[in-house]
Amino acid sequence: AQSVTQLGSHVSVSEGALVLLRCNYSSSVPPYLFWYVQYPNQGLQLLLKYTSAATLVKGINGFEAEFKKSETSFHLTKPSAHMSDAAEYFCAVSSPPAGNMLTFGGGTRLMVKP
Amino acid sequence: DAGVTQSPTHLIKTRGQHVTLRCSPISGHKSVSWYQQVLGQGPQFIFQYYEKEERGRGNFPDRFSARQFPNYSSELNVNALLLGDSALYLCASSYSTGTGLTNSPLHFGNGTRLTVT
Repeated sequence: AQSVTQLGSHVSVSEGALVLLRCNYSSSVPPYLFWYVQYPNQGLQLLLKYTSAATLVKGINGFEAEFKKSETSFHLTKPSAHMSDAAEYFCAVSSPPAGNMLTFGGGTRLMVKP
Repeated sequence: DAGVTQSPTHLIKTRGQHVTLRCSPISGHKSVSWYQQVLGQGPQFIFQYYEKEERGRGNFPDRFSARQFPNYSSELNVNALLLGDSALYLCASSYSTGTGLTNSPLHFGNGTRLTVT
C-alpha cells in the first residue's frame, strides 16, 4: 500500500518569499512521485515528476522538488513566490507497474500576500 | 492541440438517480483514468482503462462502473446516487503502454462537478 501526507493544509507566504510545501510518502517499492497544481474550477496540472532519475527535479514555473529516500520526502520549493502561484498543490505517489494509479495527498492551499 | 475534455461541466441529480459522465482523451492517448475529488480533499482513484480493458479499480462500490470506446473516449456511470457522491469527477489521459510503466504523466480535464440533492 502507498500513502501521501502533506503537512499543512494551508500555507501563507509573502510575495517574493520562499515557498516550501511538504510531502512525505510511504511505498513498498521505489515510487514515482508527482506534484500537481489546481487552480479554482480547473483540473490538475503537472508541475514536476520524479521517476528514479535525478533526485533534484525541476518543474514548470520555477518550482523544484528533491527526492530524499532516507526521509521518504519530496518537498516542493520555489525561491520567490508570485501572486499567480496562489492555488492548491497536491503531492502524489504511484508504484510501478501501476504507474497510472496515483495516490494523492490531501492538498496544501498556498496563499500569497502582496 | 485539444486537451482532455469532459462533459457536462456541471450536473445536479437527485438521490437514487443514475448519472453518466463523459471524457475525451488527448489525441493519441490510449489510457483513461477516472478520479473523484470530494471538496477539500485530494483526488481518489476510481478506474483506469486501456484499449477498452479495465486495468485498475480503486476502492469504490459496484455502483460505479466505466467503459472505454474504440476511439478511446470513456464514460463513467454511477447508479443509485448518494449524497456522498457529490464531488468533482476528473478524467485523465496518458500515453501509457498499458502495462502501467510510465514516464508519461496524467493529463487532467477540468472535471465534472456533480451535486446530488
